[in-house]
Amino acid sequence: KQEVTQIPAALSVPEGENLVLNCSFTDSAIYNLQWFRQDPGKGLTSLLLIQSSQREQTSGRLNASLDKSSGRSTLYIAASQPGDSATYLCAAPSWGSYKLIFGSGTRLLVRP
Amino acid sequence: GAVVSQHPSWVICKSGTSVKIECRSLDFQATTMFWYRQFPKQSLMLMATSNEGSKATYEQGVEKDKFLINHASLTLSTLTVTSAHPEDSSFYICSARVRLETQYFGPGTRLLVL
Repeated sequence: KQEVTQIPAALSVPEGENLVLNCSFTDSAIYNLQWFRQDPGKGLTSLLLIQSSQREQTSGRLNASLDKSSGRSTLYIAASQPGDSATYLCAAPSWGSYKLIFGSGTRLLVRP
Repeated sequence: GAVVSQHPSWVICKSGTSVKIECRSLDFQATTMFWYRQFPKQSLMLMATSNEGSKATYEQGVEKDKFLINHASLTLSTLTVTSAHPEDSSFYICSARVRLETQYFGPGTRLLVL
């Protein structure tokens, strides 16, 4: 059974700082791993999807890495801005299916 | 492209009533849609998988008679919360699968049961 854990649960940083969010998963037989952003009271915005054959994906100031052997993924945010404040969720499929299992998220606050 | 809508965006109802939430894929067809529930400050939990033209598959612990799912067409799935109670108050989010590995999420529906 796939389990997804995110550390830290909350993070507060000053504007401009680079930061790393961590995601770990128990079943390494995954097809892909996704990172999402969720603003308060809103739905999910897909940020990055890393296929199992890839090691990383980049979009603007965001870079996500995937290490299947260790069951870890990281989301790197460069030069953080107050607009980056949100909850970041990672999700991986459960074994043998495409059902997404979500981590509990990291609540990020970027202080001006 | 790949836009998923939900209606309503929020709903307040009295305890004991039933509430229907719609999930639509606007510019693509989806044979599979998923329904999730999210309690405050918690993550998304998959409730059920909705398959067009067949019965939904429910996750362990989700009452299928309470959460009725109908996937009547390739662009519409509905979730009906029957005899809603305050403990059903939550944020309900649907997603539609485009390819095997890709889901697009709706904006969510906030349900408050008084």
